[in-house]
Amino acid sequence: KNQVEQSPQSLIILEGKNCTLQCNYTVSPFSNLRWYKQDTGRGPVSLTIMTFSENTKSNGRYTATLDADTKQSSLHITASQLSDSASYICVVSDRGSTLGRLYFGRGTQLTVWP
Amino acid sequence: EADIYQTPRYLVIGTGKKITLECSQTMGHDKMYWYQQDPGMELHLIHYSYGVNSTEKGDLSSESTVSRIRTEHFPLTLESARPSHTSQYLCASSELRSETSGGRTDTQYFGPGTRLTVL
Repeated sequence: KNQVEQSPQSLIILEGKNCTLQCNYTVSPFSNLRWYKQDTGRGPVSLTIMTFSENTKSNGRYTATLDADTKQSSLHITASQLSDSASYICVVSDRGSTLGRLYFGRGTQLTVWP
Repeated sequence: EADIYQTPRYLVIGTGKKITLECSQTMGHDKMYWYQQDPGMELHLIHYSYGVNSTEKGDLSSESTVSRIRTEHFPLTLESARPSHTSQYLCASSELRSETSGGRTDTQYFGPGTRLTVL
């Protein structure tokens, strides 16, 4: 069964600290993996997207890694800011159809305290 | 920032009412989607469209219907709302894009969502 599991479910850190969020997936055949940031009451916004051949991609203070062999990804946030408080969603796309079906994780709720 | 809009942002209605959630995008994307999301849960695809006059049901069974008469517009209608329809509804559109890695990806851009409460 194609699934995307994220951990931890929630995380609280102090402003300025780093953190790493995890994503494990069983989606096959794999096409790409994306990390989205979703602020409360808003739609998700894409942070990074990685295809099979990529193992790291950065977007400012966000760095995503991908290990396609172990089917794991992580999102590392450096020098956290209060505005980083949000839900971070891992989304994996398969290659099984024209639509490129998306499998969503439940997200990690990150709270950054001052 | 994506040019995709949803109205209303919040809606509280009584059981049995007919409602239409609006979604429009100005990016010229052919593909559009409707998702349902409950708090702390993953997004579930309820409808999608490849283009004008093309609509398909998604993975999650839904009593809603959609239409795609114009490229930029993808409204979702509930003929008779029930409390079980209380949820957040997210609209998205996508474009096929070539990545630096050589692959092609279908990146979805999401609207701000409509928070629906049915009493």
